[in-house]
Amino acid sequence: DGGITQSPKYLFRKEGQNVTLSCEQNLNHDAMYWYRQDPGQGLRLIYYSQIVNDFQKGDIAEGYSVSREKKESFPLTVTSAQKNPTAFYLCASSPRTRSTQETQYFGPGTRLLVL
Amino acid sequence: GIQVEQSPPDLILQEGANSTLRCNFSDSVNNLQWFHQNPWGQLINLFYIPSGTKQNGRLSATTVATERYSLLYISSSQTTDSGVYFCAVRMDSSYKLIFGSGTRLLVRP
Repeated sequence: DGGITQSPKYLFRKEGQNVTLSCEQNLNHDAMYWYRQDPGQGLRLIYYSQIVNDFQKGDIAEGYSVSREKKESFPLTVTSAQKNPTAFYLCASSPRTRSTQETQYFGPGTRLLVL
Repeated sequence: GIQVEQSPPDLILQEGANSTLRCNFSDSVNNLQWFHQNPWGQLINLFYIPSGTKQNGRLSATTVATERYSLLYISSSQTTDSGVYFCAVRMDSSYKLIFGSGTRLLVRP
């Protein structure tokens, strides 16, 4: 079944702890994205990657880090520097970023809660 | 940067009713998408519609790019239509989608 998977579904973080959210896609898409959604709000872009071994900051990258070692995978690390990490995190992919006609497809999301 | 405004912010319907959701954007765009976020948080693509009109079952959408707005029509609403509807746009020179704050729809049986 083609699609985007995210794990875990729920994640609890203790103060001062780094946590990593997984995102995998088998759609053979070049571009991948991470978004953050706070309650009652729209999505905001954290990081995006157009190709393997390349990624760019989005609007709210502070306190987050990513890697893109494989085309299929784009993990997001929420570091201790992110002071308010409680949110819903969504991963997306699209065939490529440069065409304005590309549609982004989303994974099921990870809910991160701080203990 | 470009602003995306959706209205109404909240909408309550009785099952079977029709509704119109609106998305206004402040600059020219070449990509506009409508999404439905279900109660479990999954975002589902509804339409890619930078201009013109499209229909998919009980849903249809119209974008008038020259006047910078898009409309999503839901006819004969069902309880499964409940959730949040997002409009997202992308400018020609940009890599990212800009999301509106959404319309929260509740369809009562």
